[in-house]
Amino acid sequence: DTAVSQTPKYLVTQMGNDKSIKCEQNLGHDTMYWYKQDSKKFLKIMFSYNNKELIINETVPNRFSPKSPDKAHLNLHINSLELGDSAVYFCASSQESLLSGNTIYFGEGSWLTVV
Amino acid sequence: GESVGLHLPTLSVQEGDNSIINCAYSNSASDYFIWYKQESGKGPQFIIDIRSNMDKRQGQRVTVLLNKTVKHLSLQIAATQPGDSAVYFCAELFTGGGNKLTFGTGTQLKVEL
Repeated sequence: DTAVSQTPKYLVTQMGNDKSIKCEQNLGHDTMYWYKQDSKKFLKIMFSYNNKELIINETVPNRFSPKSPDKAHLNLHINSLELGDSAVYFCASSQESLLSGNTIYFGEGSWLTVV
Repeated sequence: GESVGLHLPTLSVQEGDNSIINCAYSNSASDYFIWYKQESGKGPQFIIDIRSNMDKRQGQRVTVLLNKTVKHLSLQIAATQPGDSAVYFCAELFTGGGNKLTFGTGTQLKVEL
């Protein structure tokens, strides 16, 4: 079983559309994240949630809205898609505390292309 | 082979040689560091981590060195294999500031047969 799974893996859509990417983790972690990787492979955090509560919210346009129905799921909804939103979006999870030998695990990524 | 990480994004090594990938981190308050490997079409995969109270940690064929004085991190891969070809990222974290993992630019490692 995949520890952090996200769907869809590939998504091609037109500008102005609204789309969602779903993420689920079966590691029993209480913290989940969304990262964005651009065409130059630069990885940057967007959001993190701990037990369904928003903890980190970087400078991300409010067209991006994460939703956490429970601590095992963190979905990313994007409204009014723009060309610049084309990127790979990675979901990740960890225990809240990284001081006890825990680390952050990533999903396989969702390739979003806006045309 | 040796790279400067942020300034030399591609490192080519011969199979069997040792690889050294370097990273300069930015936050002197960072107390936890991770190396990730990202293969083409996949997500970052944990390789090894180190906490700021250590200066060296060894894993299977990999060693991470931490120099807090100059804010420098390196990943050494012994006997590099074709399967090691990937992009390698260092990441830093200040555990007292939430789990906001900050990634470096990444270094592409190419293993030549």
